[in-house]
Amino acid sequence: DSGVTQTPKHLITATGQRVTLRCSPRSGDLSVYWYQQSLDQGLQFLIHYYNGEERAKGNILERFSAQQFPDLHSELNLSSLELGDSALYFCASSVDRDTFGNTIYFGEGSWLTVV
Amino acid sequence: GQNIDQPTEMTATEGAIVQINCTYQTSGFNGLFWYQQHAGEAPTFLSYNVLDGLEEKGRFSSFLSRSKGYSYLLLKELQMKDSASYLCAVPFISSGSARQLTFGSGTQLTVLP
Repeated sequence: DSGVTQTPKHLITATGQRVTLRCSPRSGDLSVYWYQQSLDQGLQFLIHYYNGEERAKGNILERFSAQQFPDLHSELNLSSLELGDSALYFCASSVDRDTFGNTIYFGEGSWLTVV
Repeated sequence: GQNIDQPTEMTATEGAIVQINCTYQTSGFNGLFWYQQHAGEAPTFLSYNVLDGLEEKGRFSSFLSRSKGYSYLLLKELQMKDSASYLCAVPFISSGSARQLTFGSGTQLTVLP
């Protein structure tokens, strides 16, 4: 158990809908990262928050957004869902604001299936 | 740009040794990570190399050559439970100032009895 908690573990929804994925980082970690992993692709970096502020964006679609709250938990909002958004979404956390020499720890992921 | 290459699949026999290679291209190297990921599960941290040479940790060792942009993960005394995807990852600058951990596509290792 990495200490990173993600909910829900599984989610099935229809195209066009909106969902929210939630992540609680490890105790003491200030950074939260979101990654997407689909069947035909590796882990794709989406976005990084540090202590409530956005640090960096990767290949995140405009239909997706995220935020980190004062209690450091984070939410990833996915809207106007398409079939291609079906994937495993991972949250990860770390202590520092940068990944230089800084191991990140992954949650168990949220399986999203869009039908 | 950023580029990480590793073989897609490898097969080995229980009790054997296997070496999984990773090559990368980056400016401003800041270390290289190896993660293990079983199907449908979270990636778990295996090793981090920032200096050249071999780092040994039990049955797993990781090697780095910064001048060659090359790393490998060495797994000894293979066990069935080692069947998993092994991900090479390097911090790259994305938008913003922070370096983000970018992963290779992973090497799917199958250990046969």
